[in-house]
Amino acid sequence: DTGVSQNPRHKITKRGQNVTFRCDPISEHNRLYWYRQTLGQGPEFLTYFQNEAQLEKSRLLSDRFSAERPKGSFSTLEIQRTEQGDSAMYLCASSISGEAFFGQGTRLTVV
Amino acid sequence: QKEVEQNSGPLSVPEGAIASLNCTYSDRGSQSFFWYRQYSGKSPELIMSIYSNGDKEDGRFTAQLNTASQYVSLLIRDSQPSDSATYLCAVEPKSSGDKLTFGTGTRLAVRP
Repeated sequence: DTGVSQNPRHKITKRGQNVTFRCDPISEHNRLYWYRQTLGQGPEFLTYFQNEAQLEKSRLLSDRFSAERPKGSFSTLEIQRTEQGDSAMYLCASSISGEAFFGQGTRLTVV
Repeated sequence: QKEVEQNSGPLSVPEGAIASLNCTYSDRGSQSFFWYRQYSGKSPELIMSIYSNGDKEDGRFTAQLNTASQYVSLLIRDSQPSDSATYLCAVEPKSSGDKLTFGTGTRLAVRP
């Protein structure tokens, strides 16, 4: 499968715990996005990378969120001290010429 | 003003009809526009991209772009029940550093 891959698909965690999600983009894609989506809303931008450089991080994103893309390949999104409001679908997408393709998403439930 | 706006719907059309979905955007310098389809519980799937004024057709789908009026639309001809989904409009606004920005989506229901 040469599409965007996200792991895990589902994560249930207790409030206050840290979680980390992984995204493997399509191999030749240089741009990688992270979005968050809640029920009835469109994907909300979190951050994006051009190769290994993090170009922008949403102003709405608390300091508990951090993302990396070492060597411009896979990316990780970490959420520290999770809160119930962090429960959402976390989506990763990659692109090379504007058209972005999404992975299956990671559904996070904070209990 | 939101960067990308869509009517949340639901838009209900009978099977075989034309469904028309609309989207407006605020950044006049935007140059890339996309339509995604999202089934319930699934991730968005790219169905159309358009980069210049006018129409672009792909099978039963036609994307229309009008940069003067700052809107982009998606027409679905011969609508099928399997087209029932949420349709997301996405734009790369120049003012936001070209990051892909989404509307809230329009829910389409095709009645058999």
